[in-house]
Amino acid sequence: GENVEQHPSTLSVQEGDSAVIKCTYSDSASNYFPWYKQELGKRPQLIIDIRSNVGEKKDQRIAVTLNKTAKHFSLHITETQPEDSAVYFCARQAYNTDKLIFGTGTRLQVFP
Amino acid sequence: NAGVTQTPKFRILKIGQSMTLQCTQDMNHNYMYWYRQDPGMGLKLIYYSVGAGITDKGEVPNGYNVSRSTTEDFPLRLELAAPSQTSVYFCASSYKGQGTDTQYFGPGTRLTVL
Repeated sequence: GENVEQHPSTLSVQEGDSAVIKCTYSDSASNYFPWYKQELGKRPQLIIDIRSNVGEKKDQRIAVTLNKTAKHFSLHITETQPEDSAVYFCARQAYNTDKLIFGTGTRLQVFP
Repeated sequence: NAGVTQTPKFRILKIGQSMTLQCTQDMNHNYMYWYRQDPGMGLKLIYYSVGAGITDKGEVPNGYNVSRSTTEDFPLRLELAAPSQTSVYFCASSYKGQGTDTQYFGPGTRLTVL
């Protein structure tokens, strides 16, 4: 189907620990996978994205991995800080459409 | 660049009233989108446009209309507002054609229908 399943829906970690959020999809035409961060009362903002011709991408403490065969992709945040607390959305887009399909979001809380 | 701007920031409507949510982008993006986000939920696509004069329905188009007469502007019209349309509305834009699909979001309009 079209949907993207995102897990977990909430995640609490201690400052300095790692956090992992996973999304699965079924449309094999999907070729673009962005991750957005939304702080309370703010707009979603892109934090990292990956295309289907790449298996992993890193940007400082954030990384995204993609397993095309298993049709899942994950966001990894290392050395978490309180300012990482937010809702994170994954999304996917197929090469033959113009629409992003968003996951249902993960609320990450980082405790000092 | 101001990016994507939306007006108004907040609005309270009575059932049956109409209004237009404004969205403007100054990045010369060809694609524009309207989403709604209900409390604690994800983003659902209402309508989108791939260029001036072209619009298409998303997941939840009922009760809304759009137009795209210029590249910069993509207004969303609510006719006969209903309580189910209480939500935060985000406009977004992106540029297709240079290998990037990044969507940039506006600050949102918080709409309450009573």
